[in-house]
Amino acid sequence: NAGVMQNPRHLVRRRGQEARLRCSPMKGHSHVYWYRQLPEEGLKFMVYLQKENIIDESGMPKERFSAEFPKEGPSILRIQQVVRGDSAAYFCASSPAAGHGDSYNEQFFGPGTRLTVL
Amino acid sequence: QKEVEQNSGPLSVPEGAIASLNCTYSDRGSQSFFWYRQYSGKSPELIMSIYSNGDKEDGRFTAQLNKASQYVSLLIRDSQPSDSATYLCAVTDDYKLSFGAGTTVTVRA
Repeated sequence: NAGVMQNPRHLVRRRGQEARLRCSPMKGHSHVYWYRQLPEEGLKFMVYLQKENIIDESGMPKERFSAEFPKEGPSILRIQQVVRGDSAAYFCASSPAAGHGDSYNEQFFGPGTRLTVL
Repeated sequence: QKEVEQNSGPLSVPEGAIASLNCTYSDRGSQSFFWYRQYSGKSPELIMSIYSNGDKEDGRFTAQLNKASQYVSLLIRDSQPSDSATYLCAVTDDYKLSFGAGTTVTVRA
């Protein structure tokens, strides 16, 4: 049973380029979350998506960042015109449900994409 | 901003001992509480979840929750060198996990 898949695992971009990070949730999971872990900082929520819907993007920077989860294919986190401060580990998590006070909202994390901006 | 505080580390314990990790949270509306283990350079791995007051045991791990005190803890019994990692406390009242900074545990052989 495959877990959450993310690719690429490592991504190097020069300032001003675009970074595109992909995430496929666990089988049977329809809720996807993106988190960012900056060097020496904790994990921070960015965005929560379901198929074709952005439910909560309150943790995403207002500019340059966008996310989608199309009907077909993986969820994409897109960072335009990257800057050095975007260098971080980006983790995707998925769960079978959300908002319930039970095991259905347990979030399982993928291996992450480590973005380095030169 | 929902605050999650963990006891500062690093925590060093001898092999076979009990490691005790503590976490407090600010949001009284929190419903779900999780402990994740993160090895250096890896992703967080869910090891325990707890939703109601009391203790929950899973193998060598025991999670304890006290909602009145806004406190959740993790005990690792019979600590092994493979338990050396950073342990993250996470809480939520809906779907948005708020994480603590983590406590790094080192198990000495």
